[in-house]
Amino acid sequence: GAVVSQHPSWVICKSGTSVKIECRSLDFQATTMFWYRQFPKQSLMLMATSNEGSKATYEQGVEKDKFLINHASLTLSTLTVTSAHPEDSSFYICSARSYYHEQYFGPGTRLTVT
Amino acid sequence: AQSVTQLGSHVSVSEGALVLLRCNYSSSVPPYLFWYVQYPNQGLQLLLKYTTGATLVKGINGFEAEFKKSETSFHLTKPSAHMSDAAEYFCAVSSSNDYKLSFGAGTTVTVRA
Repeated sequence: GAVVSQHPSWVICKSGTSVKIECRSLDFQATTMFWYRQFPKQSLMLMATSNEGSKATYEQGVEKDKFLINHASLTLSTLTVTSAHPEDSSFYICSARSYYHEQYFGPGTRLTVT
Repeated sequence: AQSVTQLGSHVSVSEGALVLLRCNYSSSVPPYLFWYVQYPNQGLQLLLKYTTGATLVKGINGFEAEFKKSETSFHLTKPSAHMSDAAEYFCAVSSSNDYKLSFGAGTTVTVRA
């Protein structure tokens, strides 16, 4: 089956620094990738949609200057959390949509900002 | 716009008993409906999905769900629970317009020996 990877799986950073999270579709080309945020014991909230070669579309309330998304190729999207603060600590999950419209999820990245 | 309501944030069943997780949706266009399972500190795994066609959908691990348009429901069932079914379950809806998923709040399933 289709596999989506995320790197790193867990990252701890200091307040004020930036963190980059990678999302890769390993065995298929993703026309669209999605980034979600999940707080403990809560559901997934869509942050943004990214299409290869174009600017990401952010959901209402998501700061695009804080959460920078780059979809450089059909297999790679990155989320950069800029000037991270403790309130940005969360579980970030990406998904990738194939040409057949199936959406596959990555294993998630746990970000802790100290 | 689409939305999903999962009734019951926590379901506890005995091993071997029926698992029933309830999901109701709201959608202004024909919906695509999904059930996902999430184990601790992991991503989501697709259990099953409904797009078009047969309204009774069979998925992995013995789960199935039935799309009932008149009731706007997509309840998930499994005849006999196994200990390995203990996890978080999410119902989600999207449309063919943009494929963006809207998730329900999730239901935690615990299985008693």
